[in-house]
Amino acid sequence: DTEVTQTPKHLVMGMTNKKSLKCEQHMGHRAMYWYKQKAKKPPELMFVYSYEKLSINESVPSRFSPECPNSSLLNLHLHALQPEDSALYLCASSQGHSGNTIYFGEGSWLTVV
Amino acid sequence: ELKVEQNPLFLSMQEGKNYTIYCNYSTTSDRLYWYRQDPGKSLESLFVLLSNGAVKQEGRLMASLDTKARLSTLHITAAVHDLSATYFCAVDTETSGSRLTFGEGTQLTVNP
Repeated sequence: DTEVTQTPKHLVMGMTNKKSLKCEQHMGHRAMYWYKQKAKKPPELMFVYSYEKLSINESVPSRFSPECPNSSLLNLHLHALQPEDSALYLCASSQGHSGNTIYFGEGSWLTVV
Repeated sequence: ELKVEQNPLFLSMQEGKNYTIYCNYSTTSDRLYWYRQDPGKSLESLFVLLSNGAVKQEGRLMASLDTKARLSTLHITAAVHDLSATYFCAVDTETSGSRLTFGEGTQLTVNP
């Protein structure tokens, strides 16, 4: 099983809403990631969790708040987003150290209105 | 700042032909990834290259890495329509977990 599961697949939210994106993997991976991808652009790293600790925050605005409740779950809490935050949000996971295959989920399409 | 440059960005080719996509990067790294992305879909891992001179092949695709030249190539042999997709290379610059910096992607269209 090489599956990373993301929910919801599609989300429309207003600029004053609070919502969350969820990600789950059962491969025993100890590194989990959030990437953001705009249309026709490459993915951009947002956050990395390594062994359930936040190890990389790529200067992401505080309206995005990651959370790693346990080694299988990764959340991205969204609050007071802007229309330009509309994008595909990809979760990924890999074994703890670098050089291993990084598996991506199907993504959550977010539209901010 | 790490730069990862792919070329070409757009590639239209006929079935049965061969072609190579190039990925140049600006910092020392011996970890290079290739992904495929179909429209509206997620990223599918194709290859992970972990050392100078690494070569991996899967079906009609072959990837190689030259860390001294900071260059990776993705060679397509006898293209078929099913290979139409966007191909990304990505360079890893982290040791605990991974920090991937992606190239702009090469949009490949294979015509019958």
